[in-house]
Amino acid sequence: QVQLVQSGAEVKEPGASVKVSCKTSGYTFTDYYIHWVRQAPGQSLEWMGMINPNTGGTNYAQKFQGRVTMTRDTSITTAYMDVSSLRSDDTAVYFCARELRGGHFDYWGQGTLVTVSS
Amino acid sequence: QTVVTQEPSLTVSPGGTVTLTCGPSTGAVTSGHLPNWFQQQPGQAPRTLIYSTNNKHSWTPARFSGSLLGGKAALTLSGVQPEDEAEYYCLLFYGGSWVFGGGTKLTVL
Repeated sequence: QVQLVQSGAEVKEPGASVKVSCKTSGYTFTDYYIHWVRQAPGQSLEWMGMINPNTGGTNYAQKFQGRVTMTRDTSITTAYMDVSSLRSDDTAVYFCARELRGGHFDYWGQGTLVTVSS
Repeated sequence: QTVVTQEPSLTVSPGGTVTLTCGPSTGAVTSGHLPNWFQQQPGQAPRTLIYSTNNKHSWTPARFSGSLLGGKAALTLSGVQPEDEAEYYCLLFYGGSWVFGGGTKLTVL
């Protein structure tokens, strides 16, 4: 069965970086894009960007360009998202989600809480 | 950046029908915006209900349907159940980027 399993909760100080992983299984990793979405406490979902695991090509939301890096390791079917220069307003639950080309979203990871606090 | 608007809250009676809409402040939503709809229960990850305007997943209850209505993307629930009380989000594609709506809190009362 398809699974997207994310890494555990993180607590970081302002200015630090965090790397969240999304371990996938149950399907051909390179056939689906991986998107990253975040949700601040009590807020709506926010699209951050996506990676094509086949090519490594990425597309980031303008808001996050320069501060977010999405990568993947095809040998272990895992996608990663690195967020640098963390601020308190980066405190959120971060999700990965799978998309088949053409807007066909389906499975989501369980979410990773990142808390930014001094 | 495009702002996508949804009704902040709606209330429906059990067994009733309700339509949630999603669209930008200017312009119409088309199938090219590849509308997706997600349901999120408190403390859980979102669950995809509808993709590419009106396509359902195997786990999507038959009472949920997606469409384009009056220039907006729409999600209709027919025969609402108590377990449908949740937050609903739409997602639209804009030339390489995706934008979520602000969400609709659906109350079943």
